[in-house]
Amino acid sequence: GAGVSQSPRYKVTKRGQDVTLRCDPISSHATLYWYQQALGQGPEFLTYFNYEAQPDKSGLPSDRFSAERPEGSISTLTIQRTEQRDSAMYRCASSFGGVDTGELFFGEGSRLTVL
Amino acid sequence: SQKIEQNSEALNIQEGKTATLTCNYTNYSPAYLQWYRQDPGRGPVFLLLIRENEKEKRKERLKVTFDTTLKQSLFHITASQPADSATYLCALNTGGGNKLTFGTGTQLKVEL
Repeated sequence: GAGVSQSPRYKVTKRGQDVTLRCDPISSHATLYWYQQALGQGPEFLTYFNYEAQPDKSGLPSDRFSAERPEGSISTLTIQRTEQRDSAMYRCASSFGGVDTGELFFGEGSRLTVL
Repeated sequence: SQKIEQNSEALNIQEGKTATLTCNYTNYSPAYLQWYRQDPGRGPVFLLLIRENEKEKRKERLKVTFDTTLKQSLFHITASQPADSATYLCALNTGGGNKLTFGTGTQLKVEL
């Protein structure tokens, strides 16, 4: 696609519910990232994929968080048993190569509110 | 502990002056450092990448320096304009692979 697309843009859910966020990266991009961003803060790393491989998931806050990219393209971030502290903007980004070639392209984000 | 620090206080400068933003890091040895711009409600937008063997990089009115001894990068905007007002984020590759860790960002306000 022309840019990184995320859905839903806004999600309101009740505590304890499961939520799945979707990211559709730029079609030629091998690397896909998930970040969590609180208001007034920089993006916090969650995990990244090289195609379908997930080399680093050190930023996932707990085992309630998981991410997939089964065919090396679209990715989902799932939060199980949501808690109020999970409320944040979740940003997906993709890049053609690795960090040595630069330029992550970010989507517009999915804002999650847990009541 | 590992940290990437940017000035949390907003930087206010007059139009036409040079804005200088800092990014300090501890306990990392990044091979690459990137700078991004973020406008309210939008995702970050890439500006520049500098490698550890490069002391300085320029792009139009932007200049970035990277001092691996001081563990610091400086980001300069010359002849600043109100349209440059935004939050600026530095990001380092950390932990090997393609992991990119962002700083907290500094808000820049350019006034007429």
